[in-house]
Amino acid sequence: DAGVIQSPRHEVTEMGQEVTLRCKPISGHNSLFWYRQTMMRGLELLIYFNNNVPIDDSGMPEDRFSAKMPNASFSTLKIQPSEPRDSAVYFCASSSGGGLAGGVTLETQYFGPGTRLLVL
Amino acid sequence: AQTVTQSQPEMSVQEAETVTLSCTYDTSESDYYLFWYKQPPSRQMILVIRQEAYKQQNATENRFSVNFQKAAKSFSLKISDSQLGDAAMYFCAYRSAMRAQKLVFGQGTRLTINP
Repeated sequence: DAGVIQSPRHEVTEMGQEVTLRCKPISGHNSLFWYRQTMMRGLELLIYFNNNVPIDDSGMPEDRFSAKMPNASFSTLKIQPSEPRDSAVYFCASSSGGGLAGGVTLETQYFGPGTRLLVL
Repeated sequence: AQTVTQSQPEMSVQEAETVTLSCTYDTSESDYYLFWYKQPPSRQMILVIRQEAYKQQNATENRFSVNFQKAAKSFSLKISDSQLGDAAMYFCAYRSAMRAQKLVFGQGTRLTINP
């Protein structure tokens, strides 16, 4: 299995530009997560999808951030307009199972290699 | 809200020796899961070990084992026979068993292995 795939691996952009990060989850996984890692705040969840539906977006910092999952094999995280404080490593992770109904079983979240974003 | 605390920003150990990384958490829930992830310089997040809160037996994966103390809300990671490849940031994480699968991470412990 190829694992979780993220692109680009590195992105350098100027303040005010639109940035789009992409993620392909592991085939067969139906839960997808976007995390952000910074020195100040550590690792924090931005948004979580189950069966392509956003379940928890309480971590999305503001309206400049948006995420979509048009199908089971692709998700995007968009920042428009970007700001220097958005500089971070963005991780995508996927797992099987999930959802809010009923019990939650122990499914491991598998992480992609991350996208290192630098906004100048 | 749940919180995870790793009180050791950095640890070091001699190769082949044993080291223990500490983690405490705060929750009002009785059913949850705990994880240790490793992040080497490549920045890839790699699952090391996981523990279900309802299980009293401590999880073990080869040289890695945990000491899970539910009443004390403590979840430490023991690495035996440390190897140079174990050098990395280690993150403790919590996940509720009752709602969405969000992982709550500690701030991490940087582990250095001295040859």
